[in-house]
Amino acid sequence: GQQLNQSPQSMFIQEGEDVSMNCTSSSIFNTWLWYKQDPGEGPVLLIALYKAGELTSNGRLTAQFGITRKDSFLNISASIPSDVGIYFCAGQLAYDMRFGAGTRLTVKP
Amino acid sequence: KAGVTQTPRYLIKTRGQQVTLSCSPISGHRSVSWYQQTPGQGLQFLFEYFSETQRNKGNFPGRFSGRQFSNSRSEMNVSTLELGDSALYLCASSLAQGGDEKLFFGSGTQLSVL
Repeated sequence: GQQLNQSPQSMFIQEGEDVSMNCTSSSIFNTWLWYKQDPGEGPVLLIALYKAGELTSNGRLTAQFGITRKDSFLNISASIPSDVGIYFCAGQLAYDMRFGAGTRLTVKP
Repeated sequence: KAGVTQTPRYLIKTRGQQVTLSCSPISGHRSVSWYQQTPGQGLQFLFEYFSETQRNKGNFPGRFSGRQFSNSRSEMNVSTLELGDSALYLCASSLAQGGDEKLFFGSGTQLSVL
């Protein structure tokens, strides 16, 4: 199925900087999810969003479900070296779940 | 609660062979989905099983098949392997009840086809 449009593809930032990434789609979703994947491992769920406009935090991570239900963003504040990895967004409607291509984050100490 | 378990962790096969991968979902989860991930690619959906029935299918050739057992454990089979089948194969389970479709992934099976 059609993938979501996730940007940026990659980011190189300095430790302590804030990070922002987003996902957009031409379709609406009922649920937006954000995952992080470490090398050689499966993605791990970070944040789940269930309602348009919802803003949810998990530690230094904040994500929002767009009002139009066609987009979502993820912010990471005060990045640390262990934030390195690939971040995936996922949108879900009924049984259909679509993933973005991922944002590869590199954090320089 | 144990997470999603995939076996084997690594597998090396040659072209033309067939392979079976196994996935044990989180206890109580009834839905199991399979994804293929190659370097630089996102997660490509293969299929989803719920209560032993294939509920959803991605755009992969018929060489890729799967099944789910009554205990929700699932297997994925790839026949007549091709070099391009080399990838990380991820299994994910979900509760699939009351709209709770959050996917929980296993660590994957890294398949190398030589």
